[in-house]
Amino acid sequence: AQSVAQPEDQVNVAEGNPLTVKCTYSVSGNPYLFWYVQYPNRGLQFLLKYITGDNLVKGSYGFEAEFNKSQTSFHLKKPSALVSDSALYFCAVRDRSNTGKLIFGQGTTLQVKP
Amino acid sequence: DAGVTQSPTHLIKTRGQHVTLRCSPISGHKSVSWYQQVLGQGPQFIFQYYEKEERGRGNFPDRFSARQFPNYSSELNVNALLLGDSALYLCASSNRQGNTEAFFGQGTRLTVV
Repeated sequence: AQSVAQPEDQVNVAEGNPLTVKCTYSVSGNPYLFWYVQYPNRGLQFLLKYITGDNLVKGSYGFEAEFNKSQTSFHLKKPSALVSDSALYFCAVRDRSNTGKLIFGQGTTLQVKP
Repeated sequence: DAGVTQSPTHLIKTRGQHVTLRCSPISGHKSVSWYQQVLGQGPQFIFQYYEKEERGRGNFPDRFSARQFPNYSSELNVNALLLGDSALYLCASSNRQGNTEAFFGQGTRLTVV
């Protein structure tokens, strides 16, 4: 079965420190990988994606993610966290069938304290 | 440019009633997908439509149906509402399938009482 796991319900970091939000996946074949962010009572905002090529992808708002095929992971990172980064983060995979279906993890709440 | 727009933003319905949620994709986008997000969980895939044809269906009962119109807007219909249908319903559009990212609307918060 295809699945995405975000092992941490919440990640707490101090402003200015680096942050990592973890994601692992189980999907047959080579998936397309995405990170989205959700602010309270809002829809999801696209941050970045991995399709092919360099394992380190850069996205919006200074975020980047590292794809590791052997570990089937796609961790979200940022060198210096901002209080405004506090939100709910979702990792998602899209299988390469024709459905366009996104499979989401359960989400990780990021709290950045001043 | 307008993003994905959904209406209404909030809705309260009684058990057993029917509801219709609407979505307008980003101009030029031909693919629309619907997701259900229950509080504390990630979004769950309900349907995908591309060029007005259903291309994917998630593990939801037949009470859930959808359609896509010639202008690529979409409706999600839910019959015989249950308390468990209370959730945020998200619509996403993309310009094609595959490796392109999906852009989400702000969602419709449905409460079933």
